[in-house]
Amino acid sequence: DAGVTQSPTHLIKTRGQQVTLRCSPKSGHDTVSWYQQALGQGPQFIFQYYEEEERQRGNFPDRFSGHQFPNYSSELNVNALLLGDSALYLCASSLGGGMNTEAFFGQGTRLTVV
Amino acid sequence: AQSVTQLGSHVSVSEGALVLLRCNYSSSVPPYLFWYVQYPNQGLQLLLKYTTGATLVKGINGFEAEFKKSETSFHLTKPSAHMSDAAEYFCAVSELSKLSFGAGTTVTVRA
Repeated sequence: DAGVTQSPTHLIKTRGQQVTLRCSPKSGHDTVSWYQQALGQGPQFIFQYYEEEERQRGNFPDRFSGHQFPNYSSELNVNALLLGDSALYLCASSLGGGMNTEAFFGQGTRLTVV
Repeated sequence: AQSVTQLGSHVSVSEGALVLLRCNYSSSVPPYLFWYVQYPNQGLQLLLKYTTGATLVKGINGFEAEFKKSETSFHLTKPSAHMSDAAEYFCAVSELSKLSFGAGTTVTVRA
């Protein structure tokens, strides 16, 4: 089992550009959540996808959008990048999305905006 | 909204000494609580979780945590620190299946 895989591992973008990050969930999982972890801080919830729909959303602007595909993989898109978007972006997968369901995290994508 | 507060952003312990990481939660309903560990340049790994039932929860790598409702706490302990325990530790609470994390505690282990 490959676990949760994210691509790319590192990315450098210029302010104002757009970026797409990808996530493949752990085998058998149907729910994908995205988190932003700024340097020295805890992860912040961006949104969660289940059955190809956004089920929950955190306090992030509309520049952050996502998608879930029929095979449960997911993409995170960020438009009009700001310097403050530089962070580690973590994908987590789980089954069913219940409150006590264990979430498995990928290694993350390190995004640097210059 | 539910939240957690981790007391102490950095803890330094000697190898073989007790590790104690503090976490307090705020919740209007019975919480689901978690501790995660993050090694440099890696994602998060679940150490242990509290849902219902026994208040003393045992996790991986010799860690355990005790849920104390009266103190709204979920502190993480390990009796004897090992060099491999050097990492960042996050306490989290689950709300509607999303996780809300604390700011984290960095643990360094002195030889």
